[in-house]
Amino acid sequence: GAGVSQSPSNKVTEKGKDVELRCDPISGHTALYWYRQSLGQGLEFLIYFQGNSAPDKSGLPSDRFSAERTGGSVSTLTIQRTQQEDSAVYLCASSRDLESYGYTFGSGTRLTVV
Amino acid sequence: TQLLEQSPQFLSIQEGENLTVYCNSSSVFSSLQWYRQEPGEGPVLLVTVVTGGEVKKLKRLTFQFGDARKDSSLHITAAQPGDTGLYLCAPNYQLIWGAGTKLIIKP
Repeated sequence: GAGVSQSPSNKVTEKGKDVELRCDPISGHTALYWYRQSLGQGLEFLIYFQGNSAPDKSGLPSDRFSAERTGGSVSTLTIQRTQQEDSAVYLCASSRDLESYGYTFGSGTRLTVV
Repeated sequence: TQLLEQSPQFLSIQEGENLTVYCNSSSVFSSLQWYRQEPGEGPVLLVTVVTGGEVKKLKRLTFQFGDARKDSSLHITAAQPGDTGLYLCAPNYQLIWGAGTKLIIKP
């Protein structure tokens, strides 16, 4: 696609439920990042995928968070047993590769846990 | 641990004024990117600086990378309401980000 697409744009879920957030990167981009952003704050790195290499999961805040990238394209971020502190905007970005300068971001998924 | 500090955290000025925001670290980076983020959107890349001492201009925006490649600044001349947004900096690999400078330009 022309840009990075994320869905849903908004998600309200009850505490304890699982959620899945989707990211469709720019076609041909091998690097894909997930970030979390609290209101008015900078970005917190969660995980990145680069080609067929093992993902760097060093930013995932707990074992309730996981992500997959199927076929080197679409990625899904899953949060199990959601907590109120998980409420944030989850942003996905992609780039040609890890060495490329600058990433293209999606518009994010605003997650609210009630 | 790498840390990026951005200052000021918040800046509100009148249209037509000049301003400078900063991105500082104790670490050396091979490159630094500046982004602008508007409400409800993801960050949009403005510029990448790579060489120590480098100056890049983007219309009314001037970006500078420190000689030691530990810090950077963004200067806006004659600010306009369209410059309003959250300005973020991030080094190569972009695993760490500054908290940003929230800039409001009042008409």
